[in-house]
Amino acid sequence: DSGVTQTPKHLITATGQRVTLRCSPRSGDLSVYWYQQSLDQGLQFLIQYYNGEERAKGNILERFSAQQFPDLHSELNLSSLELGDSALYFCASSVGEGRPSYEQYFGPGTRLTVT
Amino acid sequence: GDSVTQMEGPVTLSEEAFLTINCTYTATGYPSLFWYVQYPGEGLQLLLKATKADDKGSNKGFEATYRKETTSFHLEKGSVQVSDSAVYFCALSYAYSGAGSYQLTFGKGTKLSVIP
Repeated sequence: DSGVTQTPKHLITATGQRVTLRCSPRSGDLSVYWYQQSLDQGLQFLIQYYNGEERAKGNILERFSAQQFPDLHSELNLSSLELGDSALYFCASSVGEGRPSYEQYFGPGTRLTVT
Repeated sequence: GDSVTQMEGPVTLSEEAFLTINCTYTATGYPSLFWYVQYPGEGLQLLLKATKADDKGSNKGFEATYRKETTSFHLEKGSVQVSDSAVYFCALSYAYSGAGSYQLTFGKGTKLSVIP
């Protein structure tokens, strides 16, 4: 158990809908990262937050957004869903602003299926 | 941009066989390098890491050495077990200028199956 929790574990929804994925980092971790794992693209970095502020964006679509709340949990919002958005979405946390030597701890993921 | 290339799988080995999974990287600076493992139905776990050239990371019998001259970080284990069956990801983390962020860039993963 990494200490990172993600809910829900599975999500099935229809095209055009909007969903919210939730992540709670390990106690004491200030950085939260979101990654998408799909068969086509592999594991890709989406976005990072540090102590409530956006720090970096990767290959995140404009239909997707995220935020980190004062209690440090984070939410990833996916809207106007398309079939191609079906994937595993992972959240990871690390203690600091994410220096290379800081380990990232991954949650179990949310499997999103868009039908 | 930065990238990681690792050998395509799947790889199937008999128990107690020697394992090598090749990983090479492209980076504009001096990244830290990682191997993550993903067991079926689970999230990723850090297996080992190396933060500078010639460092050797090791854990649970797995080893990898950071080779700057060949830009490689190959994963090895002398004797694999059935319980090592999983997907292995090579990754790098690098300071993107101005961002202060150290997100991971992953290879595509190598699925290892170990048969008794």
